Amino acid sequence: KAGVTQTPRYLIKTRGQQVTLSCSPISGHRSVSWYQQTPGQGLQFLFEYFSETQRNKGNFPGRFSGRQFSNSRSEMNVSTLELGDSALYLCASSLPRDRGTDTQYFGPGTRLTVL
Amino acid sequence: KNQVEQSPQSLIILEGKNCTLQCNYTVSPFSNLRWYKQDTGRGPVSLTIMTFSENTKSNGRYTATLDADTKQSSLHITASQLSDSASYICVVTGLNAGNMLTFGGGTRLMVKP
Repeated sequence: KAGVTQTPRYLIKTRGQQVTLSCSPISGHRSVSWYQQTPGQGLQFLFEYFSETQRNKGNFPGRFSGRQFSNSRSEMNVSTLELGDSALYLCASSLPRDRGTDTQYFGPGTRLTVL
Repeated sequence: KNQVEQSPQSLIILEGKNCTLQCNYTVSPFSNLRWYKQDTGRGPVSLTIMTFSENTKSNGRYTATLDADTKQSSLHITASQLSDSASYICVVTGLNAGNMLTFGGGTRLMVKP
């Protein structure tokens, strides 16, 4: 079974631009979560999608948004990029959650650099 | 505020030795606690998941313990190998606010030959 794939793997943007990252979950997984990882803040939860609906959202500004398609693939978008948005963005997929005990499988991440 | 604190921040041990990583949390009410291993430049990989009713879970040379009363967890690594060099992240899921995940800052482990 193929793992979680994320595209692109690396991205360089300038301040003020917007970016769209893509995540393809493991086949059969319907839940997709996004995380931001920086050296200073560690891993932080962005949002979770299940069956095309945003189920949970972390404490990030409205510039961060996402969506999920009917095939469970997900995209996240960051508008008006700031230098502080430079980070590794990780996507994780899992089967339908039951009290959150299902295993999350992470992709390799997209490393975004904002200049 | 929900918090997850891990200690030590970094650790160096010799190959073959055992080590224990600590995780203290304030998340309440609590659903489950996970330990992840993250190699440099890669996404985290799940090691163990424990609900509030479980107090120990093993995965090969990794054994996690949980004391829900004191809100403490530990990850014990037995007979360490060079490939154990990685960051180990403790993640706690709360029951409120839509099962939000709170991440610890991680422990960076280096195993030397």
